[in-house]
Amino acid sequence: AQSVTQLGSHVSVSEGALVLLRCNYSSSVPPYLFWYVQYPNQGLQLLLKYTSAATLVKGINGFEAEFKKSETSFHLTKPSAHMSDAAEYFCAVSPISGNTGKLIFGQGTTLQVKP
Amino acid sequence: GAGVSQTPSNKVTEKGKYVELRCDPISGHTALYWYRQSLGQGPEFLIYFQGTGAADDSGLPNDRFFAVRPEGSVSTLKIQRTERGDSAVYLCASSLQGAGVNSPLHFGNGTRLTVT
Repeated sequence: AQSVTQLGSHVSVSEGALVLLRCNYSSSVPPYLFWYVQYPNQGLQLLLKYTSAATLVKGINGFEAEFKKSETSFHLTKPSAHMSDAAEYFCAVSPISGNTGKLIFGQGTTLQVKP
Repeated sequence: GAGVSQTPSNKVTEKGKYVELRCDPISGHTALYWYRQSLGQGPEFLIYFQGTGAADDSGLPNDRFFAVRPEGSVSTLKIQRTERGDSAVYLCASSLQGAGVNSPLHFGNGTRLTVT
């Protein structure tokens, strides 16, 4: 069975500081991995995805994530936080074959950006 | 262009009542998913349609939950004899073709269901 753990339900950073949101997965086979963002009163938006091509994945809005098989991690980073980055972030995993739209989400991390 | 539309945006109902939640996917998208997001949790998969048929309904919690997509576009999630534990945000997502990683999911804003 696959699962996702996001460490830290709330993360607070200052504007301009590094953003690091942690995600660890559990899967018996290499999975596909995703980060989604949910802004207030909006639907989930795909930030980036890992599909076994390159281990460092670049997404929208300056975010990137690195797949580390040895650590079963897929942490999300951004060098410099903007106020507009304040949102809830979800890490998700899906099977590498079959129904890859059947995502298993983590519990989410709320990012607060302080001026 | 128009995204995934879900109506109503908010629904308050009494325990024991029947509710229907509607999802209008992006035009031309053949795959449609329903997820449920409880407070403080990530979304949980409920059901997946490919065209008109439910290809995977393994996430439906019990037989009070049912979903249809009769013409392969609009979908309705139906909940009978609602319980307070059904209170959550119900999310719909669609994708252009089958369940492939290169066909990303587009999510609607959700319907917030409150059972009193």
